[in-house]
Amino acid sequence: KNQVEQSPQSLIILEGKNCTLQCNYTVSPFSNLRWYKQDTGRGPVSLTIMTFSENTKSNGRYTATLDADTKQSSLHITASQLSDSASYICVVSGSNDYKLSFGAGTTVTVRA
Amino acid sequence: SQTIHQWPATLVQPVGSPLSLECTVEGTSNPNLYWYRQAAGRGLQLLFYSVGIGQISSEVPQNLSASRPQDRQFILSSKKLLLSDSGFYLCAWSSWTVGYTFGSGTRLTVV
Repeated sequence: KNQVEQSPQSLIILEGKNCTLQCNYTVSPFSNLRWYKQDTGRGPVSLTIMTFSENTKSNGRYTATLDADTKQSSLHITASQLSDSASYICVVSGSNDYKLSFGAGTTVTVRA
Repeated sequence: SQTIHQWPATLVQPVGSPLSLECTVEGTSNPNLYWYRQAAGRGLQLLFYSVGIGQISSEVPQNLSASRPQDRQFILSSKKLLLSDSGFYLCAWSSWTVGYTFGSGTRLTVV
């Protein structure tokens, strides 16, 4: 069964600090991996998308990495802001793009 | 540009009542359309997807149904809601160039 595991489940950081979220997956074959940001009560918004050949992709203060060999990805948030408080979801697509595998998400709380 | 509209944002319905959630997409043609449900602390669960008008695939047997009467319209329905149908429902569309785009979601509470 294709699975996506995210860690930690939640974390609290101080404004201005950095943090890293982890995503491990067992989806095979692998097509692409996406990170989404979901504010409370809203739909997820895409941050990055990476294919097999990409190791790093940035979107402003968000940097995602991918190691397709070990089936691991990380999302690094630099100089966190209060608006970064949200749930971050790792989503992996296999050969059939109709069926995505979703992680349960990491809830990030940024405090002043 | 492509946009996706989903409504209503929140809904409180009694057990046994019908349900109709609507999703429309603008700025693209023949999109793949999806309905997801998100439970607290869990990942999104795919309920239905559609690759064209009248073409619906169901992923999870349940009390819900979906229809696609027009190219850019996707409707999630139920004839009689159960308490277990409560949750956060998300509509999404996808293309190879854009990837997945989600709607703003509907918080359904069945009482």
